[in-house]
Amino acid sequence: EVQLVESGGGLVQPGGSLRLSCAASGFIFSNFWMHWVRQGPGKGLVWVSRINSDGSSTTYADSVKGRFTISRDNAKNTLYLQMNSLRAEDTAVYYCAREGWQISTFDIWGQGTMVTVSS
Amino acid sequence: DIVMTQSPESLAVSLGERATINCKSSQSVLYSSNNKNYLAWYQQKSGQPPKLLIYWASTRQSGVPDRFSGSGSGTDFTLTISSLQAEDVAVYYCQQYYSPLMYTFGQGTKLEI
Repeated sequence: EVQLVESGGGLVQPGGSLRLSCAASGFIFSNFWMHWVRQGPGKGLVWVSRINSDGSSTTYADSVKGRFTISRDNAKNTLYLQMNSLRAEDTAVYYCAREGWQISTFDIWGQGTMVTVSS
Repeated sequence: DIVMTQSPESLAVSLGERATINCKSSQSVLYSSNNKNYLAWYQQKSGQPPKLLIYWASTRQSGVPDRFSGSGSGTDFTLTISSLQAEDVAVYYCQQYYSPLMYTFGQGTKLEI
């Protein structure tokens, strides 16, 4: 079964850091570009970041540029999001998503992990 | 950035009736070199992650019932559910992937019975 499972969310103080992980299974992880998308409480979907299949190219939304770092370990079939200098407005459910083969958009999503930034 | 605007924000439709959701992009998402519209539709049920329904504006994802269809080109798009079922209650989002530096979603349309 194709699956993405996020972990690492939790409560963190403003200015703090957190690293999210996304474990992939059921497909050849190293063949696919991967993304992070977040959803604030009661709000819509916001794309955060993407990484290409070998990790050599990354892109970020302006709202997280310079604070978040996306990376991957293809040997471990795992995607990461290192989040630094966290702000209250980063509070959200964070989803990892696979960019489908030749469809350029997100065909598989994880269940999400909640990040709460609060003092 | 390409801004995606959905209408209506919420919609109530009777079981078995047609539901129509509109999505407008601030600039064309039609890529002329391959004649594809970089527009997708997602369904998000309460407490669940989004699920891809439609990509390339009108191609149904594998396993999606054929009562769901997408249409439109350029800047104006529509998601149609031909005969609403109880399990279709959800929030629906359009998304452009024409601009790979900034994927953007519509604000969502809440569909109720």
